[in-house]
Amino acid sequence: NAGVMQNPRHLVRRRGQEARLRCSPMKGHSHVYWYRQLPEEGLKFMVYLQKENIIDESGMPKERFSAEFPKEGPSILRIQQVVRGDSAAYFCASSPPGGAHMNTEAFFGQGTRLTVV
Amino acid sequence: SQKIEQNSEALNIQEGKTATLTCNYTNYSPAYLQWYRQDPGRGPVFLLLIRENEKEKRKERLKVTFDTTLKQSLFHITASQPADSATYLCAPVSGGSYIPTFGRGTSLIVHP
Repeated sequence: NAGVMQNPRHLVRRRGQEARLRCSPMKGHSHVYWYRQLPEEGLKFMVYLQKENIIDESGMPKERFSAEFPKEGPSILRIQQVVRGDSAAYFCASSPPGGAHMNTEAFFGQGTRLTVV
Repeated sequence: SQKIEQNSEALNIQEGKTATLTCNYTNYSPAYLQWYRQDPGRGPVFLLLIRENEKEKRKERLKVTFDTTLKQSLFHITASQPADSATYLCAPVSGGSYIPTFGRGTSLIVHP
């Protein structure tokens, strides 16, 4: 059973370009969380999704950032018109049906390290 | 506003000793609290979960306590080994949002 898969592991974008980060949850998991981590800082929650639904996006910037988790395929975090301040590690986590209500842990991917030059 | 505090300074201990890490939270009513380990360049890995009605939880060399009155959780690693060196993150989970929210983490360094 493969773990949470994130790709690419490293992504370099020039200012103004778009970044698309992909996350395939563990098999059977229907809940996905996205977090951002800056050097020497903790994980900052961005968005919580179930299949075809955004449950909570309170941590996501209102502009340039969007996320989706379609019925088929991976979850995508999209950052439009990237700026240097978007450089960070972006982690995705998944949990089984019922999500955190089931008192279960979240399984994390290895992250995508975005560098904006 | 909600706040999670973990020791920002690295904890240095000798191999074989017990490491104790602290997590304090304010303006939270967590339904449960999780502890994760994170190694450099990698994603967090789940270690233990403790519910609000539990005082203590153990797993092999790990022990977690949860005091909802003090709003504090302690994480202990007994008989520590150099391989335990990592950053340890606590994540209270509120009963409202059920979204794990992480502290900055405490770096543990175990010296041989």
